[in-house]
Amino acid sequence: DGGITQSPKYLFRKEGQNVTLSCEQNLNHDAMYWYRQDPGQGLRLIYYSQIVNDFQKGDIAEGYSVSREKKESFPLTVTSAQKNPTAFYLCASSRGQGSNQPQHFGDGTRLSIL
Amino acid sequence: AQKITQTQPGMFVQEKEAVTLDCTYDTSDPSYGLFWYKQPSSGEMIFLIYQGSYDQQNATEGRYSLNFQKARKSANLVISASQLGDSAMYFCAMREVYNFNKFYFGSGTKLNVKP
Repeated sequence: DGGITQSPKYLFRKEGQNVTLSCEQNLNHDAMYWYRQDPGQGLRLIYYSQIVNDFQKGDIAEGYSVSREKKESFPLTVTSAQKNPTAFYLCASSRGQGSNQPQHFGDGTRLSIL
Repeated sequence: AQKITQTQPGMFVQEKEAVTLDCTYDTSDPSYGLFWYKQPSSGEMIFLIYQGSYDQQNATEGRYSLNFQKARKSANLVISASQLGDSAMYFCAMREVYNFNKFYFGSGTKLNVKP
């Protein structure tokens, strides 16, 4: 079955530590996205990528970094510069163009501060 | 201005009754897509239904239908015969043809189905 796999499901970060969240898709989608969701809130876009080796900042990119070395993979690093990283992180993918293409989501990673 | 507005933070519905979740949008693109997602307490986002701006008929998917009123820029989700498993957060989203890189999400509506 095609889908999006996020790992780990739960992640704990110590002060001053960088952590990386994994996102892999086998849907052959061109576009991939990272969102942050705080409790009871909507989704906020962190980064997105339309093609390999290219990505753009979303609305809340500060304190985060990404890479897109392979079409299937779009890892997100939460750096020590992100002072309030506790949140639920969702990865998504979609076909590149066309307003009729939905996003498909992974199951998310819950990140907490130790 | 907000691209997607969901004005109902929370709603209750009795099991087996129908419920309408409101969504209004703002765009000047000639072509766009509207989507509804369900997010249960476990966190995953489940795609429910899609409506294209040029579609003449309202979209339907099983118990879900979309009441699309283009002139009013509204795309309300109707859930018929509510079930306990429908209790979740529901998000309305939009994708524009000229800015297809981004999806715009509303703030969500939390639906509680009462037995």
